[in-house]
Amino acid sequence: DADVTQTPRNRITKTGKRIMLECSQTKGHDRMYWYRQDPGLGLRLIYYSFDVKDINKGEISDGYSVSRQAQAKFSLSLESAIPNQTALYFCATSDFGRGDGQETQYFGPGTRLLVL
Amino acid sequence: AQSVTQPDIHITVSEGASLELRCNYSYGATPYLFWYVQSPGQGLQLLLKYFSGDTLVQGIKGFEAEFKRSQSSFNLRKPSVHWSDAAEYFCAVGDPLGTSYGKLTFGQGTILTVHP
Repeated sequence: DADVTQTPRNRITKTGKRIMLECSQTKGHDRMYWYRQDPGLGLRLIYYSFDVKDINKGEISDGYSVSRQAQAKFSLSLESAIPNQTALYFCATSDFGRGDGQETQYFGPGTRLLVL
Repeated sequence: AQSVTQPDIHITVSEGASLELRCNYSYGATPYLFWYVQSPGQGLQLLLKYFSGDTLVQGIKGFEAEFKRSQSSFNLRKPSVHWSDAAEYFCAVGDPLGTSYGKLTFGQGTILTVHP
């Protein structure tokens, strides 16, 4: 079974609709991240969470919100979807906390979102 | 702030040929460095990482990368490419001086096409 799972894998929605993308992990990591990928732009950080009570905005958080329901679950919401939010969305976890300061991020399979 | 540049948007090689994908970074000290691969329709898989020590790093699938401080580079290499290596490759930089943040900065990606 995959360590980081995302649902749904594909989603089509209409402008103005609220949608939620979900991420679950079985790696036992405290840190979780949401990124979006656009062609030619690489991945950009939307939100990140260092634990259930610690949630922070990334570089492109406008139009998004998140919820950390448990250590293993981190959801991304688009309150009112717009076409330029059409993208591939990735959830990631990291193994920070081993004591050596080094950190590696592990990614889910992605959710492809189309906003019409 | 750190930044990452992958100068080649698209590279085409023949199967069996050698490969080098370029990555240049901007950072005030020695960063953490990563290469990820994204196969069509798949998530990001970690190929290799560099934190410190030996500047030549071995990864999965026969890939290696060399950290060159003087050139601010972390180029990815493979001596003989297989058709299954066709994918998009991302270089990423982490910030060891800001471990409370844990941000990864990604390059724009390099698409690798492999001809038979």
